[in-house]
Amino acid sequence: GDSVTQTEGPVTVSESESLIINCTYSATSIAYPNLFWYVRYPGEGLQLLLKVITAGQKGSSRGFEATYNKETTSFHLQKASVQESDSAVYYCALGDGNSNNRIFFGDGTQLVVKP
Amino acid sequence: DPKIIQKPKYLVAVTGSEKILICEQYLGHNAMYWYRQSAKKPLEFMFSYSYQKLMDNQTASSRFQPQSSKKNHLDLQITALKPDDSATYFCASSQEDWGGANTGQLYFGEGSKLTVL
Repeated sequence: GDSVTQTEGPVTVSESESLIINCTYSATSIAYPNLFWYVRYPGEGLQLLLKVITAGQKGSSRGFEATYNKETTSFHLQKASVQESDSAVYYCALGDGNSNNRIFFGDGTQLVVKP
Repeated sequence: DPKIIQKPKYLVAVTGSEKILICEQYLGHNAMYWYRQSAKKPLEFMFSYSYQKLMDNQTASSRFQPQSSKKNHLDLQITALKPDDSATYFCASSQEDWGGANTGQLYFGEGSKLTVL
């Protein structure tokens, strides 16, 4: 089926360290998957962080980057230097651009950034 | 100010009863959705609506009935509640042109956490 698997949390890093949260996807019924990272900051609703709809392309936002790799079916989230304000839960997600926004989410990875 | 309002934030119900979860969005979007997240499970798509019409339904049970009285409202009625219905229910919205540039850019509410005893 269609699914997403991501790094199990919590992930704890110190401020200014680098970060990678792994995400792999399975898109058996979706011909052209769209890939997303969503984020939920404490006390806020889930919101889109970045999205990439074309294989081989990279998306970036707020210092985070993710590259859509069709060969390895991966969409890892990276940041060179995290800040305490990046502490949140990050969700990798898979969608079908031709469907009605039915999006498949991963379990979420809690990121804790220590000062 | 929150642009997607869900009420109530928390509710407790007894098995067999009925509850309505309220969702209003003030983003001017044309599409609204319900997602559910049970304990230790990923966020799961339930319904999508566009211009108050049902577009997609991935919920097997007819006990879950969305209700859209206005373009910016999508309530969720749940009847004959069961303990397995315990979850946090998230409403979302988007400005959709199905398959277009906005696809996948959903805006979520903070959720309504339902506990069924």
